[in-house]
Amino acid sequence: EDQVTQSPEALRLQEGESSSLNCSYTVSGLRGLFWYRQDPGKGPEFLFTLYSAGEEKEKERLKATLTKKESFLHITAPKPEDSATYLCAVQAWGYGGSQGNLIFGKGTKLSVKP
Amino acid sequence: EADIYQTPRYLVIGTGKKITLECSQTMGHDKMYWYQQDPGMELHLIHYSYGVNSTEKGDLSSESTVSRIRTEHFPLTLESARPSHTSQYLCASSPPAGGIQETQYFGPGTRLLVL
Repeated sequence: EDQVTQSPEALRLQEGESSSLNCSYTVSGLRGLFWYRQDPGKGPEFLFTLYSAGEEKEKERLKATLTKKESFLHITAPKPEDSATYLCAVQAWGYGGSQGNLIFGKGTKLSVKP
Repeated sequence: EADIYQTPRYLVIGTGKKITLECSQTMGHDKMYWYQQDPGMELHLIHYSYGVNSTEKGDLSSESTVSRIRTEHFPLTLESARPSHTSQYLCASSPPAGGIQETQYFGPGTRLLVL
């Protein structure tokens, strides 16, 4: 069964204190791994897609990496505005219309204090 | 980035009422999705559509129904709301699978409270 596990559930950082969020996945055949940011009461906002092991992508203070079993979202020198829940999702190879469907983890709630 | 609109944003309604949650997108995306999300929990897919007149049930069983008469519109209906339907409902869409992946873009969500 395809599965996504994110850790930690919650992370509190001081402004400027770098850290990483983990996303472990089990999937029959990885088509893509997605990172989203979700603010309270809002829909998820797309951040990155990773396709293959060894791939890395960056956006401002965020850097996502991918191995065959997990992905990391590195946050460098975070600011209070980076506070949000970060969601990881995987997309598996399949058949028909279900091929694009995503399986989400529960997310990591990040709080950055000034 | 897609423009996805959901109305209403918040809805408080009594048990037994019929409700329709609206979702529209302006990007011409073929695929659209409905997710249910409870606080602190993962998003669960309840319905999806890969084009006009196509609808499929997702991984999470739901008493809601959907329709896709126009490409841009994907409404979700609950015939008789119950307190167990209280949740946040998120709509998403994705472009045609021309490449090896289909990024889903989300609307702002509808927060439903059934009394």
